[in-house]
Amino acid sequence: DSGVTQTPKHLITATGQRVTLRCSPRSGDLSVYWYQQSLDQGLQFLIQYYNGEERAKGNILERFSAQQFPDLHSELNLSSLELGDSALYFCASSDVWASSYNEQFFGPGTRLTVL
Amino acid sequence: AQKVTQAQTEISVVEKEDVTLDCVYETRDTTYYLFWYKQPPSGELVFLIRRNSFDEQNEISGRYSWNFQKSTSSFNFTITASQVVDSAVYFCALSEARSSNTGKLIFGQGTTLQVKP
Repeated sequence: DSGVTQTPKHLITATGQRVTLRCSPRSGDLSVYWYQQSLDQGLQFLIQYYNGEERAKGNILERFSAQQFPDLHSELNLSSLELGDSALYFCASSDVWASSYNEQFFGPGTRLTVL
Repeated sequence: AQKVTQAQTEISVVEKEDVTLDCVYETRDTTYYLFWYKQPPSGELVFLIRRNSFDEQNEISGRYSWNFQKSTSSFNFTITASQVVDSAVYFCALSEARSSNTGKLIFGQGTTLQVKP
């Protein structure tokens, strides 16, 4: 158990809908990363937050947004969902914001299926 | 440009065989970090090892060993005497210290290892 929690574990929805994925980092970790794992794109970095502020953006679609709250939990919002958004979404946390040496602890993931 | 290539998509071995998973990376940073993660069928990502660009010493942990060679930009992973429980997808990842300065991980496409009894 990494100490990172993600809810829900599974999510099935329809095209055009909006969903929110939630992540609680390990106790004390200020940095949260979101990654998407899909069959065609592999594991891709989406976005990073540190202590409530956006720190870096990767290949995140404009239909997707995220935020980190004062209690450090983070939410990833996916809107106008398309079939291609079906994927496993991981959240990871670490205790630093910029050091590349940090080990990122991954949550169990949320499997999103768009029908 | 930063990139991680795992050329082997799938490998199948029989239990007790040794197997090496290849990883080749590209980066312009002189300071960077390399990682291996394991993704078992249950889906979670399990951290295996981290290496920084200044430490080319090979590492051994039980049946696992890693060979880091800057001259060939490779960070290969060997499992000795493989077991069925080693069956998983293995990812190599890169983190650049300077150009990205965020710690984000760049993953390879993964190698699916199947160990047959």
